[in-house]
Amino acid sequence: KNEVEQSPQNLTAQEGEFITINCSYSVGISALHWLQQHPGGGIVSLFMLSSGKKKHGRLIATINIQEKHSSLHITASHPRDSAVYICAPGGYGGSQGNLIFGKGTKLSVKP
Amino acid sequence: NAGVTQTPKFRVLKTGQSMTLLCAQDMNHEYMYWYRQDPGMGLRLIHYSVGEGTTAKGEVPDGYNVSRLKKQNFLLGLESAAPSQTSVYFCASSPYADRAEQFFGPGTRLTVL
Repeated sequence: KNEVEQSPQNLTAQEGEFITINCSYSVGISALHWLQQHPGGGIVSLFMLSSGKKKHGRLIATINIQEKHSSLHITASHPRDSAVYICAPGGYGGSQGNLIFGKGTKLSVKP
Repeated sequence: NAGVTQTPKFRVLKTGQSMTLLCAQDMNHEYMYWYRQDPGMGLRLIHYSVGEGTTAKGEVPDGYNVSRLKKQNFLLGLESAAPSQTSVYFCASSPYADRAEQFFGPGTRLTVL
């Protein structure tokens, strides 16, 4: 069974802190997605990456395909970053479009 | 553009009742997916479609059926609802399979009593 492990499961930070969320997976993939689920339930895609590093504003995602590991970093965290962050490598059933989801990391940023 | 929409947003069923969840996308995407999200578990793929007229089973397909008669719509059916199908259901679409962002609908919260 394919597995995706995220750590930590829960994270509380003070505003301004640097945040790191880790994701390890056990299958060969061509791409990995990072998603954000808002407190209201909506899910948005943050990154899709297959190598190296991507940066959007204060968010940075890195991936090491050989080590099967990815990280999501948030610089200068803000209370509006409070959400669940989900790692999702592609590849269930042999199709890279079929994502396998981690259980998520619940981030709470205090003012 | 509305993106991905789901109907209904909430529903309460009694055991044994049937219902259909509708997912619609206006981005002309080929690929569409149905997921369920349960407390303490990651999203899990129920069924997916790689194009109009096609469907395929995902990780947890039992108890569900799907249809993709039109490219823009992906229907998820529960023929005889069970309490174990109480969940939040998300639909998503993408333009192609590999290395493509998925766009999610707002979700449908289903309770089966």
